Amino acid sequence: EPEVTQTPSHQVTQMGQEVILRCVPISNHLYFYWYRQILGQKVEFLVSFYNNEISEKSEIFDDQFSVERPDGSNFTLKIRSTKLEDSAMYFCASSGGQGAGNTIYFGEGSWLTVV
Amino acid sequence: AQTVTQSQPEMSVQEAETVTLSCTYDTSESDYYLFWYKQPPSRQMILVIRQEAYKQQNATENRFSVNFQKAAKSFSLKISDSQLGDAAMYFCAYRSAYRANSKLTFGKGITLSVRP
Repeated sequence: EPEVTQTPSHQVTQMGQEVILRCVPISNHLYFYWYRQILGQKVEFLVSFYNNEISEKSEIFDDQFSVERPDGSNFTLKIRSTKLEDSAMYFCASSGGQGAGNTIYFGEGSWLTVV
Repeated sequence: AQTVTQSQPEMSVQEAETVTLSCTYDTSESDYYLFWYKQPPSRQMILVIRQEAYKQQNATENRFSVNFQKAAKSFSLKISDSQLGDAAMYFCAYRSAYRANSKLTFGKGITLSVRP
């Protein structure tokens, strides 16, 4: 069964460093997303992406965050200058589109620890 | 804005018994999707079941079924014949049907433990 894959599974970084989280969405999907889950809290939407543009972003997705689809398969989330409060599990997700694509499928997550 | 409420933080069930997890939501939209996701200790988000709001029939997937009450904006998950592997956090989620790439809005989740 096709799946969303994410790397790295766990990353520890120093405060102020840049981090790039990588994702390979399901191959025939059109829409891509990043979500965040701080330990013990609910899953929060960060950003959605379609046709090489951001479709929607939340208040969390401020100027320190950016997303990119550098080639036909990868989708990345960059955090420019990490803060302690950025420590969280980051989920990449993808979906196909209207009708048959109403389900969003998640990767296994990238656990980011900022020290 | 849509909201999803899961008011029970924790529930426990005996193995082989049935348990129901509650979820309510608030929306002004008439067309949407509802989901239950399971998050085991590995923290992966796994789709359990989905319901289209325009469908009156409740969705079922093997031991999992929902009770969808559109007028009451209620969407509960019933797990029958509970197994040890069902122990996890369960999230209820809402998604608008008006845009192809609308986001998921999650509830706070409920931790389900299964007693052997």
